[in-house]
Amino acid sequence: QLQLQESGPGLVKPSETLSLTCTVSGGSISNSNYYWGWIRQPPGKGLEWIGNIYYSGDTYYNPSLKSRVTMSVDTSTNQFSLKLRSVTAADTAVYYCASLHYAGNRDFNYWGQGTLVTVSS
Amino acid sequence: EIVLTQSPGTLSLSPGERATLSCRASQSVSSTYLTWYQQRPGQAPRLLIYGASSRATGIPDRFSGSGSGTDFTLTISRLEPEDFAVYYCQHYGSSPTFGGGTKVEIK
Repeated sequence: QLQLQESGPGLVKPSETLSLTCTVSGGSISNSNYYWGWIRQPPGKGLEWIGNIYYSGDTYYNPSLKSRVTMSVDTSTNQFSLKLRSVTAADTAVYYCASLHYAGNRDFNYWGQGTLVTVSS
Repeated sequence: EIVLTQSPGTLSLSPGERATLSCRASQSVSSTYLTWYQQRPGQAPRLLIYGASSRATGIPDRFSGSGSGTDFTLTISRLEPEDFAVYYCQHYGSSPTFGGGTKVEIK
């Protein structure tokens, strides 16, 4: 089964760029049945979808974050990445990467353990 | 944009009791793309139910999903200690949206 693991800095300064990478194992990121997604969860709050990327590089972003988000994929390393620019304290959250079973029921069927990113000077 | 409203916000029950969680969509949605997740404290969400009523691999049969149109329900027939958690519904229309969650806590 798929396993996903987030990595990146746990502390980012306000106005800077948050950068995270998700490493996929147990399967190929080039699997045509899947998109790859980022979801975040502010402390004590609910889940917010950030965006999805396909192995071809096609991306879909949450309109509320679109102006600040860039996602990319590297099929050679089985990784995909998230960049969120101009962060503020409101971007403090646990960031999850997940596989989106797009060819099926469009559910996020595998999730990383999550990584807490704190925005603070 | 479709909004998913989950109720109640918190459900206080005892082990062995039945839990009924609601997810209401702001407009009719396809049940094919209606999903439920469980999130235990300190853990990532886990896929429970997809397609409104199909249990994911390894999910016990005390969990069941139902509904169509705008009203969907997650039922836990008899609560086990490990079932006390937060539950989210999610729909994928043009993009994924999540409900606000229902916390099932021990009474």
